[in-house]
Amino acid sequence: DAGVIQSPRHEVTEMGQEVTLRCKPISGHNSLFWYRQTMMRGLELLIYFNNNVPIDDSGMPEDRFSAKMPNASFSTLKIQPSEPRDSAVYFCASSQGGEYGKLFFGSGTQLSVL
Amino acid sequence: KQEVTQIPAALSVPEGENLVLNCSFTDSAIYNLQWFRQDPGKGLTSLLLIQSSQREQTSGRLNASLDKSSGRSTLYIAASQPGDSATYLCAVGGGNTGKLIFGQGTTLQVKP
Repeated sequence: DAGVIQSPRHEVTEMGQEVTLRCKPISGHNSLFWYRQTMMRGLELLIYFNNNVPIDDSGMPEDRFSAKMPNASFSTLKIQPSEPRDSAVYFCASSQGGEYGKLFFGSGTQLSVL
Repeated sequence: KQEVTQIPAALSVPEGENLVLNCSFTDSAIYNLQWFRQDPGKGLTSLLLIQSSQREQTSGRLNASLDKSSGRSTLYIAASQPGDSATYLCAVGGGNTGKLIFGQGTTLQVKP
């Protein structure tokens, strides 16, 4: 298996633009997570899907952030409009055991909002 | 609110040394604890997962222990190698938040 695949690896955009991050989880995994990592706040859970259904989105910072999982093999995280404080590394992870299963992380998307 | 602390924040050791990384958590009502490794510019790789009913897990030169009552876990690395240089994060599952909460990590440098 290729592991969790994220795209793009790097994204540079200007404030106010829409940003879409993509994730393909490991085949057979029923849970998908979006995390954000910054130096100041460390690793934070943004949203968690189980069987394609959002279970916990309490970590989504604002209405500017939205996430979808239309099927078991694809998820998107969208920021509209983007702001400089959204600059961070965004990770997608998947697991077979829900939130407490062994997590497998993608390589992340480095987002810079100018 | 569950808080996870890792001390020290950074550690530098000569090759071959045995070392211990520490993780402490404030809410002992956990489901499990995981140790991850993160290389620069990369995602996290799960190293060991300890269920709340377990005391330790071993994988090769790595051994992780869990003491729920005292809110502590340690990651023991035997005979360290330069390839072990990375940031090590612990994450606690369960507690009041029901979420996986990560520590800030310990950045390890093993010098040849």
